Amino acid sequence: AQSVSQHNHHVILSEAASLELGCNYSYGGTVNLFWYVQYPGQHLQLLLKYFSGDPLVKGIKGFEAEFIKSKFSFNLRKPSVQWSDTAEYFCAARSNDYKLSFGAGTTVTVRA
Amino acid sequence: DAGVIQSPRHEVTEMGQEVTLRCKPISGHNSLFWYRQTMMRGLELLIYFNNNVPIDDSGMPEDRFSAKMPNASFSTLKIQPSEPRDSAVYFCASSSPGRGYGYTFGSGTRLTVV
Repeated sequence: AQSVSQHNHHVILSEAASLELGCNYSYGGTVNLFWYVQYPGQHLQLLLKYFSGDPLVKGIKGFEAEFIKSKFSFNLRKPSVQWSDTAEYFCAARSNDYKLSFGAGTTVTVRA
Repeated sequence: DAGVIQSPRHEVTEMGQEVTLRCKPISGHNSLFWYRQTMMRGLELLIYFNNNVPIDDSGMPEDRFSAKMPNASFSTLKIQPSEPRDSAVYFCASSSPGRGYGYTFGSGTRLTVV
């Protein structure tokens, strides 16, 4: 199974600032990568996913992520955050089995 | 598409009681997963089913926990007897066949054992 690590536990930033959340995975073969968001008190929702093709993936709510195979990374970015982006963000990876391995999550707090 | 449906949304029970959590996956999804989320441990995979068969239950904490999937449209997670340390949000998720699909999560059941 995959091992997924997220670099930051908690990120605090102001509205309109740019956001980048780091994610690294362990598996060297074919891998599917995902970012999920969990707003306070809610369930996880899929932001975006990568499984082949263009390594720059665009998701919902203005988020994008870049798959860099040589670095085993799949970092999430947003050029200008809003207060409503306050949430917890989870990176996840899936390789040859059914299991989706999640990172520990990064809490993002956006100050108005 | 109604999504993954979990019930109840909230459950408060006394220590020692039996608790049953329910999940209805999305029609056509052949994989189902039970997760537990706590502040201390984050998201933990408890068990997953593929085509109604339990594939990996290594995440089930102990014998007090059991899960069943009698058919493609229903699964239960049972805790008997419940303990305060079982208090958490329990999520069910389902997935389509194929590795290119992520999971769709239900809204979760917030369990409080007092």
